Amino acid sequence: KQEVTQIPAALSVPEGENLVLNCSFTDSAIYNLQWFRQDPGKGLTSLLLIQSSQREQTSGRLNASLDKSSGRSTLYIAASQPGDSATYLCARNSGGYQKVTFGTGTKLQVIP
Amino acid sequence: NAGVTQTPKFQVLKTGQSMTLQCAQDMNHNSMYWYRQDPGMGLRLIYYSASEGTTDKGEVPNGYNVSRLNKREFSLRLESAAPSQTSVYFCASRTASGRNLYEQYFGPGTRLTVT
Repeated sequence: KQEVTQIPAALSVPEGENLVLNCSFTDSAIYNLQWFRQDPGKGLTSLLLIQSSQREQTSGRLNASLDKSSGRSTLYIAASQPGDSATYLCARNSGGYQKVTFGTGTKLQVIP
Repeated sequence: NAGVTQTPKFQVLKTGQSMTLQCAQDMNHNSMYWYRQDPGMGLRLIYYSASEGTTDKGEVPNGYNVSRLNKREFSLRLESAAPSQTSVYFCASRTASGRNLYEQYFGPGTRLTVT
């Protein structure tokens, strides 16, 4: 079964720290990879989408990279803020309408 | 744009009752999806609709039916609810063109409890 793993499951950091969230997948066949943010009791908000032909995408303090050969994507958050506290999910799309596999997320807490 | 909207936000059902979860999107997307999210299991695809008039099973379709009413609306029906269907249900739609090809957009979710 194609799997997407996010480690660690939870992370607590002091405000201002730069941090990296990891997403790994078992099959290097990939169409795109999408990072989401989920606040408690809320839906998923799309943060960044990386197509297979791209190596990284940036939005503000967020930078996501994709390394197909190693089956890894990372989400870098610069100068973390308490408002960044949320669960971050990655989703791998290997093509086709039903071939999107989600990780179980990393729960981030940024301490003021 | 409202994006993807879902109703209701919360629902409590007794075992055996039926209900329909509603979803609508105003982004002119062709494909729409229903997921369920359970602790420790991530999101799992229940059904999807590649375009108006078509629907297909996902990973966990048992106990559910769907209807793609038109391009905007995609509903999920539980005919006879079971406690195992207690979950958070998300509707999503996906782009089919543009720079962010195949980017998914999610609704706020429906929190369903079956007693």
